[in-house]
This record gives sequence, C-alpha cells and structure tokens, in this order.
Amino acid sequence: QVQLVQSGAEVKKPGASVKVSCKTSGYTFTEYAIHWVRHAPGQRPEWMGWMNTGHGDTMYSQTFQGRVSFTRDTSASMAFMEMSSLRSEDTATYYCAIVKRATPHWGQGTLVTVSS
Amino acid sequence: DIQMTQSPSTLSASVGDRVTITCRAGQTVSTLLAWYQQKPGKPPKLLISQASSLQSGVPSRFGGSGSGTEFSLTISSLQPDDFATYYCHQFNNYPWTFGQGTKVELK
Repeated sequence: QVQLVQSGAEVKKPGASVKVSCKTSGYTFTEYAIHWVRHAPGQRPEWMGWMNTGHGDTMYSQTFQGRVSFTRDTSASMAFMEMSSLRSEDTATYYCAIVKRATPHWGQGTLVTVSS
Repeated sequence: DIQMTQSPSTLSASVGDRVTITCRAGQTVSTLLAWYQQKPGKPPKLLISQASSLQSGVPSRFGGSGSGTEFSLTISSLQPDDFATYYCHQFNNYPWTFGQGTKVELK
C-alpha cells in the first residue's frame, strides 16, 4: 500500500532554513508527482507546488516562489522540500502528497515551528 | 485559482443527527474532489475521493455526492467520534485548493 513517511518536527529561528523529507513506498516513485501542502493553524490548507519525480521538473505556487525548493532522490524514493528565510508566519504543518488513480495519499505531516 | 467555499463554517449537532456539509467550487472541478476529517494534532484523514468514493475502512454513515461545482458530504447518523473539522479539496486544477473547513461541534 502507498505510504509517505515524513521527517520529524523542527524548531527554527527566523531567517533560518528547513528541509523536510518524504520517504515513499508501495508504488513506483517516479510514476506520480509529489505535491507539498502547508497547513497553518486556523487557516485552510495551502498548496505549495509539485515536482515531477521522473524528470525533476517543478512548479511552485506564487506564494512560495523563490523561497522554496523541491528536490528528490530517486534511488531512495524520497522527496524533499526546503524553505529558506523562515518567518513566524511559516509556523505550520507541512505535508507531502501524491494522487494515484484519482485518490490522494498523504504523509503524516511535519510540524515546523519558527520562533526566536 | 479555483475558490472552494464550504458551508457552514461551524455546525452544532447532536449524536444521531443527520448532517450535511456543502462545498462549492468557483469553476468546474469535474469529480476530482476529496473530503477529509481532521482532529487537532492529527493529519487529515481521507474519507471520500472522486466526490463519492468512500475510502476503505471509513464507516458507511459517511457519503459524498456532486460533480462540477456543487458537492456535499453527509453523515447519516452523527457519532461521538465524528466531532472534528472537515475540509473539501479540489485536485482537478493547479493550484490545488481547499475549503475553509467546517467544524462539527456538539450542540
């Protein structure tokens, strides 16, 4: 069965960077794009963008363009999301997800807390 | 971007009630719409995909319907474990967009 397992919670200071990993299993990694979604407290979830895991092409939401980067390690079936210049408003839970046969599958989320 | 509007934002109900949450898309999303249940500190749990396809292991009291721009999630008989926040999610177009959430609380 499809599984997406994310790295653990992070606490960062303003201005720092964070890198979240998403290890996949149960399917062919390069067959489905990996999406990243942010869910801040009290807000609706927000799509950050996606990566074509086969070619490595990326698409970023304008909200995050220039501050976020998606990468992958196909040999390890892992995807990564790195965000720089963190600010307090970036405190949120970050999720990776795929859509396989019109069904979304999600990681368990990674809480990133930005605090001085 | 496709705006997703859920209603109501909060729903007060009693155990055993039939409750319906609606989700309206700003333009058609076909049937590429999912419903999630989320509890504090937990990831979203997928209940329904493709607008009406009940996920394995989800109780049959949950049901989804609709296509195009109008969708609904119905809980036929509310149970204590169902008090949570529910979100709709369209994945027909980029960017993916989500409803603002409906909190189902005890009346």
